[in-house]
Amino acid sequence: GAVVSQHPSWVICKSGTSVKIECRSLDFQATTMFWYRQFPKQSLMLMATSNEGSKATYEQGVEKDKFLINHASLTLSTLTVTSAHPEDSSFYICSARRGGGVQSNEQFFGPGTRLTVL
Amino acid sequence: EDQVTQSPEALRLQEGESSSLNCSYTVSGLRGLFWYRQDPGKGPEFLFTLYSAGEEKEKERLKATLTKKESFLHITAPKPEDSATYLCAVEETGGFKTIFGAGTRLFVKA
Repeated sequence: GAVVSQHPSWVICKSGTSVKIECRSLDFQATTMFWYRQFPKQSLMLMATSNEGSKATYEQGVEKDKFLINHASLTLSTLTVTSAHPEDSSFYICSARRGGGVQSNEQFFGPGTRLTVL
Repeated sequence: EDQVTQSPEALRLQEGESSSLNCSYTVSGLRGLFWYRQDPGKGPEFLFTLYSAGEEKEKERLKATLTKKESFLHITAPKPEDSATYLCAVEETGGFKTIFGAGTRLFVKA
């Protein structure tokens, strides 16, 4: 159990276009989903936290108008990179946390999406 | 400021050479400490959660331990397939965000 999928696994787009990345929890309901960005040989950088049915909470320095997050259901969250530029090229990873008590704090990660903006 | 520091940054071992990775943390109150394994180009894979000092958990060649200031991931008789980046993360009591360390890149040579 606790499988998280991401789609697409990689995408190449032209500068100025928008890209949508989907994150799904396949066998559990995720009360909270997280979006991270990871540069080569660096750790995960949290971009935003989203709860189903409410607005996402963005970390300091992350532009909410550029990185649109929609947590449409307990199993689906999407990240849209609007007007992408080469500096947005990165590895984007989502994670999902199950609902429940203290023993449910683990985050389960998707396989990641490699975005390359030309 | 809450911090998670992992050491060493990189570790090279021969197959069968046991060692430990360190994760030291500074939080006002610990809700949980997590260990993940990440292979290149993939998302992190959950390994362990530890909640209180003195707690230990094991999985195959890996054993995680926790004190009030740090956690260790012990690797016994590692194999080449254990090569990966090992990430430590901490969640603070009353908080919602998980803070990740920079990771330890482990290379195990046959």
